[in-house]
Amino acid sequence: GIQVEQSPPDLILQEGANSTLRCNFSDSVNNLQWFHQNPWGQLINLFYIPSGTKQNGRLSATTVATERYSLLYISSSQTTDSAVYFCAVDLNDYKLSFGAGTTVTVRA
Amino acid sequence: GAGVSQSPRYKVAKRGQDVALRCDPISGHVSLFWYQQALGQGPEFLTYFQNEAQLDKSGLPSDRFFAERPEGSVSTLKIQRTQQEDSAVYLCASSFEGGTEAFFGQGTRLTVV
Repeated sequence: GIQVEQSPPDLILQEGANSTLRCNFSDSVNNLQWFHQNPWGQLINLFYIPSGTKQNGRLSATTVATERYSLLYISSSQTTDSAVYFCAVDLNDYKLSFGAGTTVTVRA
Repeated sequence: GAGVSQSPRYKVAKRGQDVALRCDPISGHVSLFWYQQALGQGPEFLTYFQNEAQLDKSGLPSDRFFAERPEGSVSTLKIQRTQQEDSAVYLCASSFEGGTEAFFGQGTRLTVV
């Protein structure tokens, strides 16, 4: 099956810092989504981004499908950004394959 | 509804007990998915429905796991004779159609004792 690798596994930031999370995948994909998982376990949609660049407030994402990677940028991080961030891809129009996640901790 | 709704939020089952987990997808969403998430890991695919048809059940870990969506809306994941290794969070997701953006429910945390 498709391999999805996220890096780094853990990220500790000082409030106000910027950061980049990376997602590499092993095959061409039809769909790529970024989520974060809140402490109660719910996956919250951040971006649906099979290709190109999108921005939503302090978050932005870029997917370069031809090179099989996606980046999630967090700017001016806040303590409320602390969460586990997941990248998920699908290559057959339905089954999402998730990475292991990046745990982001933002310290005040 | 406004989002994907799952119930119960938490379930404690004695080993050997049968459990049923419910998922109410977003209204109008054709596709419905079940995922299993072990502690500290990403979700793993279990099964996929398009309307009432179960098109892929390759991720179900054993024949003790059974899912249905008889009217193409609400879905139930049933686990028979629960084992300790079944302890996990079970996530349901829906999308307008296959390949479009998927939205997840809050999950059911199952603990088998």
